[in-house]
Amino acid sequence: KNEVEQSPQNLTAQEGEFITINCSYSVGISALHWLQQHPGGGIVSLFMLSSGKKKHGRLIATINIQEKHSSLHITASHPRDSAVYICAVRTQDSNYQLIWGAGTKLIIKP
Amino acid sequence: KAGVTQTPRYLIKTRGQQVTLSCSPISGHRSVSWYQQTPGQGLQFLFEYFSETQRNKGNFPGRFSGRQFSNSRSEMNVSTLELGDSALYLCASSLMITGGLANEQFFGPGTRLTVL
Repeated sequence: KNEVEQSPQNLTAQEGEFITINCSYSVGISALHWLQQHPGGGIVSLFMLSSGKKKHGRLIATINIQEKHSSLHITASHPRDSAVYICAVRTQDSNYQLIWGAGTKLIIKP
Repeated sequence: KAGVTQTPRYLIKTRGQQVTLSCSPISGHRSVSWYQQTPGQGLQFLFEYFSETQRNKGNFPGRFSGRQFSNSRSEMNVSTLELGDSALYLCASSLMITGGLANEQFFGPGTRLTVL
């Protein structure tokens, strides 16, 4: 079992839909990252959180430390949101490992 | 502040050759991580350096090696290239590797390596 699991692997939705991508992890963490990778390859950090909720524009990230679960939501989705969304966790042991999820490929159709 | 830079951006090599890729982190960042991304695969973690020391290593063969210099610049070397090494190699830098905002990862544009 992977230490960081994302679901779904692939998601296709219509423009305007509310999108939820999930990330579950099995290790103790000091922080969780959500990143976005566009088809051209560039990766951008969206959020880094260790508790609660963060919002940036139409993107919302939440984390539940007790349940070891985080969600990334996109409101009023748009075709330009089409990308791979990746969850990664930084472990809280002395190695401070960064463990990556496999990513969720999101396609928003106009 | 300049972002993470990687050189070269594109590289074509033949099987059996070796290659060295370079990554310059954001000024002041002390951690550099390297990743391999092949078509259809997610990011595969190669290694992470912090203050010239390798802190973490992924599951890659010994042909993949790296180092970090005192100015935090990092190089990655792949020896005896195989066709399967064709990939986008990404590096990311962060201020620190401990918890908190300091470990936000900033990615470079990547080096696309093609092995013929």
